[in-house]
Amino acid sequence: EVQLVQSGAEVKKPGESLKISCKGSGYSFTSYWIGWVRQMPGKGLEWMGIIYPGDSDTRYSPSFQGQVTISADKSISTAYLQWSSLKASDTAMYYCARGGYCSSTSCYLYNWFDPWGQGTLVTVSS
Amino acid sequence: EIVLTQSPGTLSLSPGERATLSCRASQSVSSSYLAWYQQKPGQAPRLLIYGASSRATGIPDRFSGSGSGTDFTLTISRLEPEDFAVYYCQQYGSSPLAFGGGTKVEIK
Repeated sequence: EVQLVQSGAEVKKPGESLKISCKGSGYSFTSYWIGWVRQMPGKGLEWMGIIYPGDSDTRYSPSFQGQVTISADKSISTAYLQWSSLKASDTAMYYCARGGYCSSTSCYLYNWFDPWGQGTLVTVSS
Repeated sequence: EIVLTQSPGTLSLSPGERATLSCRASQSVSSSYLAWYQQKPGQAPRLLIYGASSRATGIPDRFSGSGSGTDFTLTISRLEPEDFAVYYCQQYGSSPLAFGGGTKVEIK
């Protein structure tokens, strides 16, 4: 079964740093892009960026460029989303999701997302 | 940058009725690279449709997608109790990827 399991909920203070994780299993982790999506309380879905764990090629949404860092450790099939200095406005649910597939002959950089992780709730409050 | 507008914001229907959800793009979505997701309270989104009209694995055939260019539709032929949820469209034909604002399908 293809599965993405995310790290647990976090409560942080403004200005603190944070790194949340997303571990893939049941498929070739280095062959698919992984995306991150934000959902603020009571709001819709926002695409943050994607990473290809095979070579760590990363693309960001202009809205999130410079605000977060996406990384991956292919040796442990895990992708990460991190902040260096959290703000109250970062309070949200964050989802990782499997994106497009890359083979030796083609690569689907931008793709639908399936499956999704269960989400990590990040609360930033003083 | 493509902006997706979903309508209506809320759809109030009874079980057994037909639901028609709209997703309109600010510019043409290349190759019909449009997906639909269902999200229930407290759950992650679930892929329903990709490529505008292809059902994802395990999705019942009462869900269907159609459209091209700038106008796309998700149709639920006969609403089951478990279908009451929020539905999002997503375009993946160009960067940045984008989601629509969502349509809530609620029980009338």
